[in-house]
Amino acid sequence: EAGVAQSPRYKIIEKRQSVAFWCNPISGHATLYWYQQILGQGPKLLIQFQNNGVVDDSQLPKDRFSAERLKGVDSTLKIQPAKLEDSAVYLCASSSRRQSSGNTIYFGEGSWLTVV
Amino acid sequence: QQQVKQSPQSLIVQKGGISIINCAYENTAFDYFPWYQQFPGKGPALLIAIRPDVSEKKEGRFTISFNKSAKQFSLHIMDSQPGDSATYFCAASYTGTDKLIFGTGTRLQVFP
Repeated sequence: EAGVAQSPRYKIIEKRQSVAFWCNPISGHATLYWYQQILGQGPKLLIQFQNNGVVDDSQLPKDRFSAERLKGVDSTLKIQPAKLEDSAVYLCASSSRRQSSGNTIYFGEGSWLTVV
Repeated sequence: QQQVKQSPQSLIVQKGGISIINCAYENTAFDYFPWYQQFPGKGPALLIAIRPDVSEKKEGRFTISFNKSAKQFSLHIMDSQPGDSATYFCAASYTGTDKLIFGTGTRLQVFP
């Protein structure tokens, strides 16, 4: 079974520029997540989708970050304009919703963003 | 209340020794406590998980001990191996959501 696919793996941009990350979850997984992992910290949830609807985006900086999952499969996370503090690894993850909680979340390898 | 506190920040263990990582939480609504293992350049991967209705869960060399009254849980790695060298994250979530609240991570180094 193929894992969560992400691209690009690495991106360096200047502050105030824009960047987009793409994610393809594990086939059949209805729930998709974007996490931000700053160096030396644990991942922090930015947004959670159930199919193509947003379940939780309470920690998404909506003035600069946006995400969509138009057909309920792959997803794009965009940052515009980027700030220095956005330098982090952006992890996409997915899970199937077999039970009300405790479903295993599978992570991709991440997209490493450096803002200079 | 949403925090999960993890310690130590780093841990050095000799091959064959026991590695112990501790986590504490405040929110009593949490009902699922997984541990994730992350190697450099990779995403986190589920290692082992526990629910609060049991006090211990063992899978191979990895054991979670859970103390509901103290709101603490820990990961024990028996017979630690150099291949266990990675960053370990505890996490928690509650009924109705799979949203994981992660601890700050513990970098484990196992020397031969």
